[in-house]
Amino acid sequence: SQQGEEDPQALSIQEGENATMNCSYKTSINNLQWYRQNSGRGLVHLILIRSNEREKHSGRLRVTLDTSKKSSSLLITASRAADTASYFCAPVNDYKLSFGAGTTVTVRA
Amino acid sequence: EAEVAQSPRYKITEKSQAVAFWCDPISGHATLYWYRQILGQGPELLVQFQDESVVDDSQLPKDRFSAERLKGVDSTLKIQPAELGDSAMYLCASSLGGSYNEQFFGPGTRLTVL
Repeated sequence: SQQGEEDPQALSIQEGENATMNCSYKTSINNLQWYRQNSGRGLVHLILIRSNEREKHSGRLRVTLDTSKKSSSLLITASRAADTASYFCAPVNDYKLSFGAGTTVTVRA
Repeated sequence: EAEVAQSPRYKITEKSQAVAFWCDPISGHATLYWYRQILGQGPELLVQFQDESVVDDSQLPKDRFSAERLKGVDSTLKIQPAELGDSAMYLCASSLGGSYNEQFFGPGTRLTVL
């Protein structure tokens, strides 16, 4: 299966700390996307990294991709209470996104 | 800001009843997706439309689920008859299509089957 697998399943951090979560997948990809979901609502796209890119930044987000290891990481710097959410990676092969079970991040005030 | 609209937001039904969900994608988005998300899991693609045509329904339980996008704009997902295991969040998304475009998700319909 192409499905992404996130690690850890859950993460609890203090406001201001950094949060890192990882994603592994099994086959070749066109790109890999990260999404955020707040408390049982729709998903919001965060960032897309192409298979020929190694690192990408967007605001407080940093994504890396290692296609040789079939893995990606998402780093959120200087976390805020509003970052409390579930984060999903979605490896993309052709047009299809294959979501994993996600990492639940809780940011404590 | 353009958004994907879905209705209803919540639906409670008894097993063996029929239910229907509606989605209106962002204007100009040719590609529309229906996902099912079981609590604690990631979304699973049920069906993908390109305009009015189905391009992927490999994970759609076709004995009870049907989906249509007659004019290539809004879409309806139907379940008949509903089963207890269908309780989930049903998410609609749209995009410009292709592998390198983000998908925009609606707020979802939370279905509870009693």
